[in-house]
Amino acid sequence: DAKTTQPPSMDCAEGRAANLPCNHSTISGNEYVYWYRQIHSQGPQYIIHGLKNNETNEMASLIITEDRKSSTLILPHATLRDTAVYYCIVRGYQAGTALIFGKGTTLSVSS
Amino acid sequence: KAGVTQTPRYLIKTRGQQVTLSCSPISGHRSVSWYQQTPGQGLQFLFEYFSETQRNKGNFPGRFSGRQFSNSRSEMNVSTLELGDSALYLCASSPGDGHSGNTIYFGEGSWLTVV
Repeated sequence: DAKTTQPPSMDCAEGRAANLPCNHSTISGNEYVYWYRQIHSQGPQYIIHGLKNNETNEMASLIITEDRKSSTLILPHATLRDTAVYYCIVRGYQAGTALIFGKGTTLSVSS
Repeated sequence: KAGVTQTPRYLIKTRGQQVTLSCSPISGHRSVSWYQQTPGQGLQFLFEYFSETQRNKGNFPGRFSGRQFSNSRSEMNVSTLELGDSALYLCASSPGDGHSGNTIYFGEGSWLTVV
């Protein structure tokens, strides 16, 4: 079973920030939080990942709470092309550990 | 840098047949993993290969198998196809060594329809 809980769906206006929450209350100290998104009929696209510190790249920012029990993916200026299913995944420390996907959050960006 | 390449992109097979799907990982990546995506079960892990050895395996029947070659390219095979095997099969690659902080990148997938 997935170790994360995400809302099934969210809406966002184009140009506004999209804040996608994820709960991972059972995360252990050496597990990473990964975010992927999947646009219909395409392979999942890597967005960002982190261990304990906040992370930022050209696509998004990842904010992890101090107790690491939850995180938020921030898309600073959502566009219509950001409409997708977003998956928050906790991945074990051992090399070769699989990604366990839950149902994710369907983000709908509208103009 | 080329991404993860999967072939074929689309295929149709008949029940009882077998199918082989191919995956070329990102250059330099030694780990290749396979996932199945269906509307009912979502994205599920099949298995992972690293340096030609299966390192991890999901909960799928023995009809699903794979292998990895010395150049890190991988194939997966499904024998005695069933209608329920209709799915998007995804390949993912990563450097594979060290800990799980390595990024995993997915290909566009192979759409298999069993009729």
